[in-house]
Amino acid sequence: SQKIEQNSEALNIQEGKTATLTCNYTNYSPAYLQWYRQDPGRGPVFLLLIRENEKEKRKERLKVTFDTTLKQSLFHITASQPADSATYLCALERDSNYQLIWGAGTKLIIKP
Amino acid sequence: GAVVSQHPSWVICKSGTSVKIECRSLDFQATTMFWYRQFPKQSLMLMATSNEGSKATYEQGVEKDKFLINHASLTLSTLTVTSAHPEDSSFYICSARQGTNTEAFFGQGTRLTVV
Repeated sequence: SQKIEQNSEALNIQEGKTATLTCNYTNYSPAYLQWYRQDPGRGPVFLLLIRENEKEKRKERLKVTFDTTLKQSLFHITASQPADSATYLCALERDSNYQLIWGAGTKLIIKP
Repeated sequence: GAVVSQHPSWVICKSGTSVKIECRSLDFQATTMFWYRQFPKQSLMLMATSNEGSKATYEQGVEKDKFLINHASLTLSTLTVTSAHPEDSSFYICSARQGTNTEAFFGQGTRLTVV
């Protein structure tokens, strides 16, 4: 069955630097992959969706890449700010029933 | 983006009582909603898929008689935790999508504490 692996260790980044988070999956390559942000005590918020035929997608300071050969997606935040501190989750389509499979998330801490 | 509203945001109840959590899609019709449970520092765990007008589909290991789901309309799904016990204390989140190949919209989550 499909599994998603995200680095469980918190990532500490200095303000202004680029933060890079990794999402690896184990089985079939999904048609697309999604990234979400979750703040403590809140539901996740959608950030970006990238399709398998898209190598890269950008939105303001965010960039996502999708490498189906490596079975990996990278999520970048450039010019990071303390307000970017949160847990970031990646998700893949599970099957045709609209369900998503979720990674455990990586906690990002941006230090001023 | 679409808005999903979840209520209450937190609730404390006594062991043995039941708690109902509501999830509403405010500006779109959600034929399918999802209920998740999340423990601290862990991933979202799908409990069930709620389909409007039909029975919910529960994930393996989730007791359907304990976690009652009702999806009576295209904009409202409810999760009732029956005869709650302290081990049911958790963060419950609902979600809705408008189709495959689209993002998921989440409610604010409900922190349930059973004492």
